[in-house]
Amino acid sequence: NAGVTQTPKFQVLKTGQSMTLQCAQDMNHEYMSWYRQDPGMGLRLIHYSVGAGITDQGEVPNGYNVSRSTTEDFPLRLLSAAPSQTSVYFCASSQWGQSRDTEAFFGQGTRLTVV
Amino acid sequence: AQKITQTQPGMFVQEKEAVTLDCTYDTSDQSYGLFWYKQPSSGEMIFLIYQGSYDEQNATEGRYSLNFQKARKSANLVISASQLGDSAMYFCAMSPSGGYQKVTFGTGTKLQVIP
Repeated sequence: NAGVTQTPKFQVLKTGQSMTLQCAQDMNHEYMSWYRQDPGMGLRLIHYSVGAGITDQGEVPNGYNVSRSTTEDFPLRLLSAAPSQTSVYFCASSQWGQSRDTEAFFGQGTRLTVV
Repeated sequence: AQKITQTQPGMFVQEKEAVTLDCTYDTSDQSYGLFWYKQPSSGEMIFLIYQGSYDEQNATEGRYSLNFQKARKSANLVISASQLGDSAMYFCAMSPSGGYQKVTFGTGTKLQVIP
């Protein structure tokens, strides 16, 4: 079982460059989300999606764009990278629901450095 | 808005002893879910335990138990019989719906188990 696959694992960008972080899941989960993790700040929600064609903003959406054309894929786009976007990015997916059965599965993370 | 507070940035525990990691939360929702995740130095997020706001009994999963005190808005994680492999960051988190959606994370507690 692949679960949640994030690519790349590491990336270095120059300020102003754009790139896409890929996230794919093979569990037919409706809900997918992106988080960033910074030292001392835990994980913060960037964007999330409750199904194909439906996305919404989380706590820290500025500078990021998402789309959900299929159930499996939820890419995160950095439009113009800034040093403040240096972070570890996690993608997660889960079934939609209101119980313990909606446990989230996380990708392995992408460590992004913007210079 | 939800808020999770973890007031212990770091803790030490002797191997084989029990340890409690503190977590308090704030929400105006009646239905919500509480989670604990473990993040070892390798970086992956590992789900440990879940407590629904309407669950009458405290959740337990092996050596992990969640001490849920609804009136005090606390959801402390208790790890019994600590092992060296328990050394990691631990994150408390909550969702407004009871399932895993729009989860808010705390800043984490770094636990170190001493032989």
